[in-house]
Amino acid sequence: AQSVTQPDIHITVSEGASLELRCNYSYGATPYLFWYVQSPGQGLQLLLKYFSGDTLVQGIKGFEAEFKRSQSSFNLRKPSVHWSDAAEYFCAVGPSLDTGRRALTFGSGTRLQVQP
Amino acid sequence: DTAVSQTPKYLVTQMGNDKSIKCEQNLGHDTMYWYKQDSKKFLKIMFSYNNKELIINETVPNRFSPKSPDKAHLNLHINSLELGDSAVYFCASSEGLVADTQYFGPGTRLTVL
Repeated sequence: AQSVTQPDIHITVSEGASLELRCNYSYGATPYLFWYVQSPGQGLQLLLKYFSGDTLVQGIKGFEAEFKRSQSSFNLRKPSVHWSDAAEYFCAVGPSLDTGRRALTFGSGTRLQVQP
Repeated sequence: DTAVSQTPKYLVTQMGNDKSIKCEQNLGHDTMYWYKQDSKKFLKIMFSYNNKELIINETVPNRFSPKSPDKAHLNLHINSLELGDSAVYFCASSEGLVADTQYFGPGTRLTVL
């Protein structure tokens, strides 16, 4: 069965500092991978996704993520965090014909706080 | 224009009542979903419909019944509400079943007293 682990429940960074949010997945083949962001009281917004090809993907709001098959990871990065980035971040593995899983499998989320 | 919309945004009700949440998407997608987000922010799939046909029904109590009158709508009806049903319910849609991005609605916060 596929699963997603986000090891960090809560991260605090200073505004302007760099950010890396970790995501590890368990899946036999190459998965479809997503990062979503949820601002307080809001729905989920797609930041970026990886389906195939270049393992470094660019997303909205200056975020990027790198797929590393050898580490089963898909970490999210941003070189300089803004106060408006404070939110909950979810990594997800997409549906798969291989596993028969037909919906997104989400990690437990990482809450990002940004200090002035 | 809102791509995936849900009504109501907030729903406060008493135990034992029956309530419905509505979802509409104007993206022309074939597949729609209901997810439940619990108090710890964990998101879990409940149901999915593809072209009005139920394709996912995760171990959800029978009190929850989805209905898809057409491809653009997926409603969630909940009978005999319990305290444990309090959560945020998200509707989502995608073009297909596997490799497509899912677009989420703003969520419905259900509070059962």
